[in-house]
Amino acid sequence: QSVLTQPPSVSAAPGQKVTISCSGSNSNIENNYVSWYQQLPGTAPKLLIFDSNKRPSGIPDRFSGSKSGTSATLGITGLQTGDEADYYCGTWDSSLNAYVFGTGTKVTVL
Amino acid sequence: QVQLQESGPGLVKPSETLSLTCTVSGYSISSGYYWGWIRQPPGKGPEWIGVIYHSGSTYYNPSLKSRVTISVDTSKNQFSLNLSSVTAADTAAYYCVRPAGGIPRHYLDCWGQGTLVTVSS
Repeated sequence: QSVLTQPPSVSAAPGQKVTISCSGSNSNIENNYVSWYQQLPGTAPKLLIFDSNKRPSGIPDRFSGSKSGTSATLGITGLQTGDEADYYCGTWDSSLNAYVFGTGTKVTVL
Repeated sequence: QVQLQESGPGLVKPSETLSLTCTVSGYSISSGYYWGWIRQPPGKGPEWIGVIYHSGSTYYNPSLKSRVTISVDTSKNQFSLNLSSVTAADTAAYYCVRPAGGIPRHYLDCWGQGTLVTVSS
């Protein structure tokens, strides 16, 4: 049972924008950096955003992250069919003393 | 470029011990960083298992701590996972990972391709 809650699915047409929320608490998101991971079908998760709003080298600026209080958000603009994947937020939980992941969101390009 | 590769049995019997090894290439484990394990049951989200430093210092998920041992072999540039008394609930894809910046609670910037372990008699 995850301590970070995400919507099960979001969808939009190619070229449009989607946002994915990640809701937590003061023991995780509020006091720690958030990261986001993209998992394409049949592959390992891949780091998409770190330190709440930074992109690793090679990740296009269509992907953005933000954090406010106990929630974080991943934004994807200019949606492409290749963005169809599961997306997970992640952060450290200071009460559990463990790294925790969100429930996951499936992005569908209509 | 750092690469991680998991290896081990794909089928384990209930009540036995699951054992996996991660071989690191492109970086010497003894030079630093924590190294760890994540698992993901079919159709579910990832779960953090724990991490280890080259010195042997470990952090484990409290929910698995009683059954988990992570060890490191710097001579082989490998680290390993042992999970005891497995049940069907331990069936999952297991990934070896590296937390960034040498800090155990940081984001995971390097992942292995994963290996599926099924617990069944």
